[in-house]
Amino acid sequence: QKEVEQNSGPLSVPEGAIASLNCTYSDRGSQSFFWYRQYSGKSPELIMFIYSNGDKEDGRFTAQLNKASQYVSLLIRDSQPSDSATYLCAYGGYGGATNKLIFGTGTLLAVQP
Amino acid sequence: EPEVTQTPSHQVTQMGQEVILRCVPISNHLYFYWYRQILGQKVEFLVSFYNNEISEKSEIFDDQFSVERPDGSNFTLKIRSTKLEDSAMYFCASKASGGADTQYFGPGTRLTVL
Repeated sequence: QKEVEQNSGPLSVPEGAIASLNCTYSDRGSQSFFWYRQYSGKSPELIMFIYSNGDKEDGRFTAQLNKASQYVSLLIRDSQPSDSATYLCAYGGYGGATNKLIFGTGTLLAVQP
Repeated sequence: EPEVTQTPSHQVTQMGQEVILRCVPISNHLYFYWYRQILGQKVEFLVSFYNNEISEKSEIFDDQFSVERPDGSNFTLKIRSTKLEDSAMYFCASKASGGADTQYFGPGTRLTVL
């Protein structure tokens, strides 16, 4: 069974702090990894994707991937109250017609003003 | 910026009725998906569609479900005889190419089966 594990939280951080969100996955064949943000009652919104081991930075967000440990994380620097949402980790394959996404249950982040 | 659209935003139906959920994927995308999310649970894959045929479906996608791309823009999910447990948010997503490209999600349709 292909799974994605995330701590459901809530993860509470003060405004301006770094929020660290973690995810592990079971399928060693996974090639692509995604972080989506989901506000309550809304659809998933892409934050970042990462395919290669190491770090990838985009503005206040940094994704980190370690395929050997089957671990992917998301760091949010200078957290803002507007970052308060559920963060979904997902992985997919590479190529082919399917490339379905397998999602974790998400981590609820609460940024305290 | 192009986006995936879905209609209706909320559909209420009686158990046993048929519903059709509609999606307009991003115009140059080739791969289409339906996911669902039961309240408080994770987003689950239902089906993927490419080149006018289903490429993969999950265990959830049984004979009561079907998908269709009736024209060059719409992508529909039909549930023939709804059950109470079909109540969920249904998200359509689309992807540009066959690589590991990002899937973009529509706003969702909330289906409530009474």
